[in-house]
Amino acid sequence: QVQLVESGGGVVQPGSSLTLSCAASGFTFSSHVMHWVRQAPGKGLEWVAAISNDGNNRHYADFVKGRFSISRDNSKNTLYLQVNSLRAEDTAVYYCARDYSGSWTVDYWGQGILVTVSS
Amino acid sequence: QPALTQPRSVSGSPGQSVTISCTGTSSDVGGYNYVSWFQQHPGKAPKLMIHGVSKRPSGVPDRFSGSKSGNTASLTISGLQAEDEADYYCWSYAGSSTWVFGGGTKLTVL
Repeated sequence: QVQLVESGGGVVQPGSSLTLSCAASGFTFSSHVMHWVRQAPGKGLEWVAAISNDGNNRHYADFVKGRFSISRDNSKNTLYLQVNSLRAEDTAVYYCARDYSGSWTVDYWGQGILVTVSS
Repeated sequence: QPALTQPRSVSGSPGQSVTISCTGTSSDVGGYNYVSWFQQHPGKAPKLMIHGVSKRPSGVPDRFSGSKSGNTASLTISGLQAEDEADYYCWSYAGSSTWVFGGGTKLTVL
């Protein structure tokens, strides 16, 4: 069955960097566009970034402003999100999600990983 | 500020129907037939309920239906059940390989 497992979260200081990982299994990872979505505590969902199945095309929400970088390693079935210059407002649960092929949406989500930015 | 506007809350009694609206612009909801709806229970990951405006993935009850008119999409849940109580989010393709969410609607089953 399809599984997405995020890791790499935790408590970090403002201004620091972090790399989130999403290990995929149960499907052909290299065939799917992948997304990152985040959710601040008590707030709504916010689309962060997407990457094409081959990793050659990357797209970001406007608020990212060059601080985040999405990447993937298809040989390891793993998606990444590098987040730099972290701010308190980046505190959120970060989800990876699989594109529902041809439907311009996502169907499977990971359980999410919490990133807390605090001094 | 979420790009798509949803009511903060809606409510209904078991067996009734409720409709949740999602208003965007011609650059997102109105410009593409790529509106999705997600259900999220507390502490859980979102679940896809509707995609492509009105298509139900396998396993989603036919009590859930979607539609769109102009820049506004809607999710209708008929025959409300207690387990439908959750947060609901709309999500739309916004062009240039970007996507936007609505602010979410809390559904209370009275």
